Amino acid sequence: NAGVTQTPKFQVLKTGQSMTLQCAQDMNHNSMYWYRQDPGMGLRLIYYSASEGTTDKGEVPNGYNVSRLNKREFSLRLESAAPSQTSVYFCASCPYYTDTQYFGPGTRLTVL
Amino acid sequence: GDSVTQMEGPVTLSEEAFLTINCTYTATGYPSLFWYVQYPGEGLQLLLKATKADDKGSNKGFEATYRKETTSFHLEKGSVQVSDSAVYFCALSRDTSGTYKYIFGTGTRLKVLA
Repeated sequence: NAGVTQTPKFQVLKTGQSMTLQCAQDMNHNSMYWYRQDPGMGLRLIYYSASEGTTDKGEVPNGYNVSRLNKREFSLRLESAAPSQTSVYFCASCPYYTDTQYFGPGTRLTVL
Repeated sequence: GDSVTQMEGPVTLSEEAFLTINCTYTATGYPSLFWYVQYPGEGLQLLLKATKADDKGSNKGFEATYRKETTSFHLEKGSVQVSDSAVYFCALSRDTSGTYKYIFGTGTRLKVLA
């Protein structure tokens, strides 16, 4: 039981490049989330998915898109990366109608 | 809107010292409250939670009590160890039609010296 997995662990991009961060969970959870973590700002919600086939914006969605590919997988895409998107990105999942989220190990992204 | 305020760090303590990390919140209704811990290079792990007023969450020697009258959820440990060095996040959860969204504090870094 791997829990929540994220790939890649590290990534360096140039301004304007695109990439997709992958997240998968094997706990049969309904809800999935993407956060970014910046120094002094805690974690901020980018997008979330209450269930397969649905996605909603969080606090800081600009510059990102998401896809809930199936119940297990929830990807985050940066279409045209900017230096302001340099951050650590965390994926999380949560069983339906419970409030404890389980986090992945994170992806450290640097945009030059 | 909802918010969580944590004491700023870093907090540096000697091994076996008493730890308090303050957390206060602003929210309507009765959210659940959480403490998560992040060890270096890792993701967040749930440390403890409390779901209603006067509940005490506890785990690994850490405790926090949900105080509605003071809107607080302070984290305490009687005797810290070097292995407790990490970043601690206070959070509240908000129900959005059966899906729970978190509001996090900014995190408090704890360093314990041997």
